[in-house]
Amino acid sequence: QVHLQESGPGLVKPSGTLSLTCAVSGGSISSSNWWSWVRQPPGKGLEWIGDISHSGTTNYNPSLKSRVTISVDKSKNQFSLKLNSVTAADTAIYYCVRNYAGFDYWGQGTLVTVSS
Amino acid sequence: EIVLTQSPGTLSLSPGERATLSCRASQSVSSTYLAWYQQKPGQAPRLLIYGASSRATGIPDRFSGSGSGTDFTLTISRLEPEDFAVYYCQQYGSSPQTFGQGTKVEIK
Repeated sequence: QVHLQESGPGLVKPSGTLSLTCAVSGGSISSSNWWSWVRQPPGKGLEWIGDISHSGTTNYNPSLKSRVTISVDKSKNQFSLKLNSVTAADTAIYYCVRNYAGFDYWGQGTLVTVSS
Repeated sequence: EIVLTQSPGTLSLSPGERATLSCRASQSVSSTYLAWYQQKPGQAPRLLIYGASSRATGIPDRFSGSGSGTDFTLTISRLEPEDFAVYYCQQYGSSPQTFGQGTKVEIK
């Protein structure tokens, strides 16, 4: 059973950088899957941020592409998200997800609030 | 970008009734890459259906998916109390991957 766990600061200042890590257990991040970040503003719908393959190939949502970096650390079996120049509009629950015939495994999500 | 429009926005039904949720795409989506999710308050979404019609592991057979091209449907044959939630469709075959805005199934 694959388990994903997000970690990182819950509060980020405007114009700062949001940094989150997703630890993967119960399976290898080097398997033939893609790994995504999805966010959900409070009370709103889901937005795909981007994904990364085990080899490091990335895809980003064009709406965020200029501010987003997703990376993978195979030695730690984890992948990460960096979103820079954040504003209040980036306040959301951030989920890390495994892509395999749909998004089949989700982390519990972590709320990141952008506020001074 | 493929825009997914779900209808209705809210569905008010009683336990035991049949629920039919619609997802319409702005351009054709390969059936291989259409999924449905259920989300309850305070929880992460849960994969119900992938490939338009394949149930994910552990999903009861009262949930079924159908459709092709631009029109897809999630059907819950008989609503159980635990099925009242928000449902999202998603296409994951074209980048950026996109979600519908959600349909809330509430108790009437």
